[in-house]
Amino acid sequence: EAGVAQSPRYKIIEKRQSVAFWCNPISGHATLYWYQQILGQGPKLLIQFQNNGVVDDSQLPKDRFSAERLKGVDSTLKIQPAKLEDSAVYLCASSALRDRNFYEQYFGPGTRLTVT
Amino acid sequence: QQQVKQSPQSLIVQKGGISIINCAYENTAFDYFPWYQQFPGKGPALLIAIRPDVSEKKEGRFTISFNKSAKQFSLHIMDSQPGDSATYFCAASRRPTGANNLFFGTGTRLTVIP
Repeated sequence: EAGVAQSPRYKIIEKRQSVAFWCNPISGHATLYWYQQILGQGPKLLIQFQNNGVVDDSQLPKDRFSAERLKGVDSTLKIQPAKLEDSAVYLCASSALRDRNFYEQYFGPGTRLTVT
Repeated sequence: QQQVKQSPQSLIVQKGGISIINCAYENTAFDYFPWYQQFPGKGPALLIAIRPDVSEKKEGRFTISFNKSAKQFSLHIMDSQPGDSATYFCAASRRPTGANNLFFGTGTRLTVIP
């Protein structure tokens, strides 16, 4: 089966500019996640969708970050305006029910954002 | 606050040796403990996972040891190979009741020397 697709793979912008990332999850996966991975650290959840509804966005900096998942499939993550500390890899993951109540998350290759 | 603490930060092992990575957690509500493997330029990929009702799980050369009372779990890679060179992340999650986000450790960069 095809994996999680993300684009672009790399993006360089200046601070205060805006940027958007796109994610296409594995077909049939109802749950979609966006993670931020700063260099040398583990991924940190930004937002989780169940179909097209938000389940958890407690760690999303809502003053500058926004995300949507229209029609419960593809998703976009936007940063406006970007700050230097937003430089990171943005990972998208999706999951479906596996092994009773536990969900295996499948990650995309990520988008590496550099803010200068 | 780091929900999952991981050590060591980096590890160098000879080919054929055993690689051991350790993790500890505080939140007793966690009940799913996966390990992810990440190669440069790639997203993390699930390697092996364990639930707290067992103390050990083995899949091929990879074994998770779990100590519920100590709130610690570890990954053992037997007969380590150069192809195992990657960054390994432990993680923890709660049984899904809506949100089931993974809390990741800080990662261990493993280098296996031929």
